[in-house]
Amino acid sequence: AQTVTQSQPEMSVQEAETVTLSCTYDTSESNYYLFWYKQPPSRQMILVIRQEAYKQQNATENRFSVNFQKAAKSFSLKISDSQLGDTAMYFCAFMKRGGSEKLVFGKGTKLTVNP
Amino acid sequence: NAGVMQNPRHLVRRRGQEARLRCSPMKGHSHVYWYRQLPEEGLKFMVYLQKENIIDESGMPKERFSAEFPKEGPSILRIQQVVRGDSAAYFCASSPSGDVAPLHFGNGTRLTVT
Repeated sequence: AQTVTQSQPEMSVQEAETVTLSCTYDTSESNYYLFWYKQPPSRQMILVIRQEAYKQQNATENRFSVNFQKAAKSFSLKISDSQLGDTAMYFCAFMKRGGSEKLVFGKGTKLTVNP
Repeated sequence: NAGVMQNPRHLVRRRGQEARLRCSPMKGHSHVYWYRQLPEEGLKFMVYLQKENIIDESGMPKERFSAEFPKEGPSILRIQQVVRGDSAAYFCASSPSGDVAPLHFGNGTRLTVT
């Protein structure tokens, strides 16, 4: 079974600075997807970024980028130029490709952006 | 294009009552997933349905929980004889096909059992 570990329960960053959230996972699969989801206080789950395991190039979405280290099974999220609206819970998630699209989530990191 | 719609947003039930949670997937999406989020936890998979079929219910508790996705109408997650431990946020997600696609989540239903 796959597991996802987020070792930082809480983090804080000053507005406009950069912060990196850690995620490691354990799987014997070779073909899979990794995701970062954001959950603000409104409780909505918002997809931030997606990485396909067969792609070596790290995914980027505006101020969000990942550092995907497949051999190390590491998938960290970097948020540049942090904004107050980035304050939220961030969840790392794994999905086996070709399976039933089950997402396996980590326990989350609570990020606070301070003015 | 409306997103995934869940209702109610909040639901309060006394122990022993039934809870019915509804999910309308995005237009054109025929795959629905239910996840449960306990306090201070990530989401955990419960069940995956397509129209009129349960594809994977490996995350569903064996008793008191059931799910359906009829040909017409929303998907329903039903919890019979609720207990305090059922208090959680329940999320529905949908996707357009069986191929891997980003799941689109609803805003969840927060169930409180008193």
